[in-house]
Amino acid sequence: DAKTTQPNSMESNEEEPVHLPCNHSTISGTDYIHWYRQLPSQGPEYVIHGLTSNVNNRMASLAIAEDRKSSTLILHRATLRDAAVYYCILRGPSGGGSQGNLIFGKGTKLSVKP
Amino acid sequence: DTGVSQDPRHKITKRGQNVTFRCDPISEHNRLYWYRQTLGQGPEFLTYFQNEAQLEKSRLLSDRFSAERPKGSFSTLEIQRTEQGDSAMYLCASSSTVEAFFGQGTRLTVV
Repeated sequence: DAKTTQPNSMESNEEEPVHLPCNHSTISGTDYIHWYRQLPSQGPEYVIHGLTSNVNNRMASLAIAEDRKSSTLILHRATLRDAAVYYCILRGPSGGGSQGNLIFGKGTKLSVKP
Repeated sequence: DTGVSQDPRHKITKRGQNVTFRCDPISEHNRLYWYRQTLGQGPEFLTYFQNEAQLEKSRLLSDRFSAERPKGSFSTLEIQRTEQGDSAMYLCASSSTVEAFFGQGTRLTVV
């Protein structure tokens, strides 16, 4: 499985931007970068994904390095409800088989201070 | 549609007993995944179905674990002869395209 490296934990203040880094130096050309988050006592939920270009949605932005060996999930204004474990995952193209599966690491535990 | 549903939410069983968990995916999602999560760890992938076909099962933890999705709708995960080390949260997810939707999980405690 293609591996990602994330800091174990990060802290942020409420209403400030948060940049969550992810290194994936062994990414292959067809791997998508997915981010999920898991709130306490919940199953993971999808946040965003991208291949090469930066992506924005209502939850967050994803900035992908030009060489694709790293990416950053950006929460523009952290709220207390954003406190969660954030997982950066490399996923092969959809189409069945193990390449399309989500293989989670340990993620980054984000704490948000009021 | 209320999302991915898992039943039961909690299960306490004695060591050596068999347990079965059920997952009802979002309607018309053709892919269904099972994960196990222990405290402080990320979800650990177990197996995957596309419709009724089990396309990946090499990561099932032992031959005591088995999963089915007989009609391509709901799925069951069975653990035979449970051990204390099987105590964990068992998560199910479904997807049709990119985004996977997870259930709230079944928490298994083996005593």
